[in-house]
Order: sequence, then C-alpha cells, then structure tokens
Amino acid sequence: GESVGLHLPTLSVQEGDNSIINCAYSNSASDYFIWYKQESGKGPQFIIDIRSNMDKRQGQRVTVLLNKTVKHLSLQIAATQPGDSAVYFCAETYYGGATNKLIFGTGTLLAVQP
Amino acid sequence: DAMVIQNPRYQVTQFGKPVTLSCSQTLNHNVMYWYQQKSSQAPKLLFHYYDKDFNNEADTPDNFQSRRPNTSFCFLDIRSPGLGDAAMYLCATSRKSSQTGTYEQYFGPGTRLTVT
Repeated sequence: GESVGLHLPTLSVQEGDNSIINCAYSNSASDYFIWYKQESGKGPQFIIDIRSNMDKRQGQRVTVLLNKTVKHLSLQIAATQPGDSAVYFCAETYYGGATNKLIFGTGTLLAVQP
Repeated sequence: DAMVIQNPRYQVTQFGKPVTLSCSQTLNHNVMYWYQQKSSQAPKLLFHYYDKDFNNEADTPDNFQSRRPNTSFCFLDIRSPGLGDAAMYLCATSRKSSQTGTYEQYFGPGTRLTVT
C-alpha cells in the first residue's frame, strides 16, 4: 500500500478566532507565492496569491504576508469557521516563468473546534 | 461549469499491472500538469505539458509516462506500478492571465491509486 506519510503540523483553533498559518519558502529567486486549501479527498483550491513586490495582500477574510528577508510567508484567516478546516499549503514559483511550476511547502492542518 | 475532471476517482491495480489515469478539462487551458501526492505530504510535480511540449521533472521515474492527444485530455500511464506508487494523483491546468500575467492552477479532485 501507500508508504507511511509524515505527520502534518497541526493548528487547532476555536471557531471565531483568528488563525495564522506560517510557511518558509526555499528559493530566493521565487517571486510569486500562492496559498492553497485542500479539503479531505479533494484537490487543492486557490485561496490567495502575492507577488514579491508586495508584502501584504488582503482578500475576503484572508490576508497573506510576505517577508522576503527571512523567506517567510503567512496566511491569516479572520473569524475562522468550521468550513475552514483543511490542509493549507503555500507554494512558490517564478512569476516570469513559462508555466509557473509550483513548489509546494509541507502543509499545515487547520482544525477548527466548534 | 468549466472544470478539471479526473477519472476514475478511485483506482485499484495489481503490482506490476499497467494502469492509466485520465484527466480532462473544459477550461481550454494550454498547460496541464500531473502531480503525485502521498499521504500527509505536499503535491509533487511529475511532469507538465505546455501545449504539446512535454516537460519531465528530473526526478520523475521512467515508470511514469504521459500522453496529451489534444488540448482537453491528458493521461498518466504507470507502466509497472509498485507498492510505493500508491498515492493521490492530481491533474491541474493553467493558462496565463492577460490581466494579471499569472498562471493560476486549477486542480482536479484527484484519483486515489491503490496497488495490491
């Protein structure tokens, strides 16, 4: 069968609280970053992206922060809801590339307690 | 709705028996990707097509092949599946946005492959 998987880092939050998921990226040349949400049994779903010429971008209930100095990315989810429970992946790529091949980070499991 | 479709959603194959997974898209995107995702791990790119041009990742085993007969369809062939090939296989598509210049990838639901 399938090889034993790694244990994902887990963030457990109460419904209504704010969540912060962190990610360290590897390539200094990467200049475009995306956060994906993956629910159990489904493919990753785009949440929000940011280019390296920005350090913050806001969406609906989500904010992405980028710190290029330390190669760190974070996703903030405001007023976390049970439907936010999923695995969250950051991905890095090169904006000017021909096809934007993604390199995914490890992933964080967000567990929202009602 | 425009989407990325993967069939079957669950596939069981025997050790060493060739298996083909399929992906189709109604988005008319020119780039299609295949990823392998093992339990509790991130998706790992196997290869991608830019139009008809095939681009293999350096560490993708020769056991994995792909075909793209037209824009809409892409197949993943595993010539001799081993137990270590059991995983979720994700197909994705993208096209460069004329507005943003980015390639947003749209993922299918995946095919979970079991090797017995």
